[in-house]
Amino acid sequence: AQTVTQSQPEMSVQEAETVTLSCTYDTSENNYYLFWYKQPPSRQMILVIRQEAYKQQNATENRFSVNFQKAAKSFSLKISDSQLGDTAMYFCAFADNNNDMRFGAGTRLTVKP
Amino acid sequence: DSGVTQTPKHLITATGQRVTLRCSPRSGDLSVYWYQQSLDQGLQFLIQYYNGEERAKGNILERFSAQQFPDLHSELNLSSLELGDSALYFCASNQGDLGIGEQFFGPGTRLTVL
Repeated sequence: AQTVTQSQPEMSVQEAETVTLSCTYDTSENNYYLFWYKQPPSRQMILVIRQEAYKQQNATENRFSVNFQKAAKSFSLKISDSQLGDTAMYFCAFADNNNDMRFGAGTRLTVKP
Repeated sequence: DSGVTQTPKHLITATGQRVTLRCSPRSGDLSVYWYQQSLDQGLQFLIQYYNGEERAKGNILERFSAQQFPDLHSELNLSSLELGDSALYFCASNQGDLGIGEQFFGPGTRLTVL
């Protein structure tokens, strides 16, 4: 069974600084998808970034980028120029080709002014 | 706005009762997923429906059941409620085709069992 591990329950960063959130996963599959979802205090689940396992190039969305290391089964999220609105829970998620999605326990990120 | 709607937004009920949560997927999506998020926890997958049929089952209790109707909306039924069932219940949808990956989440229904 697929598992997703986020080893950092809480993190904080100063506004305008850079922070990296860690995620590792376990799977025997070769084709899969990885996601980072953001859950602000409103509790809405918002997709931040996605990565297809067959793509070697790391995904980037504006200030958000990932470091995808397939062999190491690692998928970290880097947030550059952190903003107060980035304060949220961040969930790493894995989905296989059958759309079976598994989430990590989450990392609570606080951006300090 | 993801295009996925859930009703009601909040639900308060007593132990032993039964409730029904409703989800309408994005237009064109055939697959609906239900998740449970207890306080400050990750999301636990409950069940998936695709075009009216159950496709996958996660950690769903026997007291819980779901179905997807011909118009593709889905309902999650929770019965004999316990205090521990208090949680945020999310519905998500996608086209359901193999390899799609991404799911679009509704705003959730917050269930409080007193």
